[in-house]
Amino acid sequence: GQNIDQPTEMTATEGAIVQINCTYQTSGFNGLFWYQQHAGEAPTFLSYNVLDGLEEKGRFSSFLSRSKGYSYLLLKELQMKDSASYLCAAGGYQKVTFGTGTKLQVIP
Amino acid sequence: ETGVTQTPRHLVMGMTNKKSLKCEQHLGHNAMYWYKQSAKKPLELMFVYNFKEQTENNSVPSRFSPECPNSSHLFLHLHTLQPEDSALYLCASSQNRASATYEQYFGPGTRLTVT
Repeated sequence: GQNIDQPTEMTATEGAIVQINCTYQTSGFNGLFWYQQHAGEAPTFLSYNVLDGLEEKGRFSSFLSRSKGYSYLLLKELQMKDSASYLCAAGGYQKVTFGTGTKLQVIP
Repeated sequence: ETGVTQTPRHLVMGMTNKKSLKCEQHLGHNAMYWYKQSAKKPLELMFVYNFKEQTENNSVPSRFSPECPNSSHLFLHLHTLQPEDSALYLCASSQNRASATYEQYFGPGTRLTVT
């Protein structure tokens, strides 16, 4: 079966660093996606990890360990506009399975 | 128009109505998707089309009927819906290669309310 686990909610302070974890168990896994979704809006693509290791893209970085079925999204220098839901998704054969998302609240 | 567009943005319909949702992608992608997003639940994949051919039907009730006339357009025909079908319906597209799924680009969604 397909199973994605990530925390439901997190709170962090403006300017700080936050790490959002995700564990997955899926069949036919070929990569791990992270999406950002602001309230009332569509998800937007943040990152895609195929190989183990850390991928950095500006203030956002994403890590993958295929052997452990584990990923995290790291957000640095948090800004108020980063308040959103962050969706972890496992890519498989012609489809993607999404987690429930982690709602991040950035406070002053 | 750029990206993925969806119409209508909001729809209220009775249980006996028939309506259709429309999605169009302007990205030259070869795959299109319908998702349902309900509160407190993960995005639920409904249908996948690759090169206009349906490759996934995730046990969706027959009151939802998809149509993909070409790689740029996707429809979701609705009839005799139930109140629990009220949700945000998202369309997405991606450029898939060698059966692997790559990043998806989402439309703004249709907020559906069934009364």
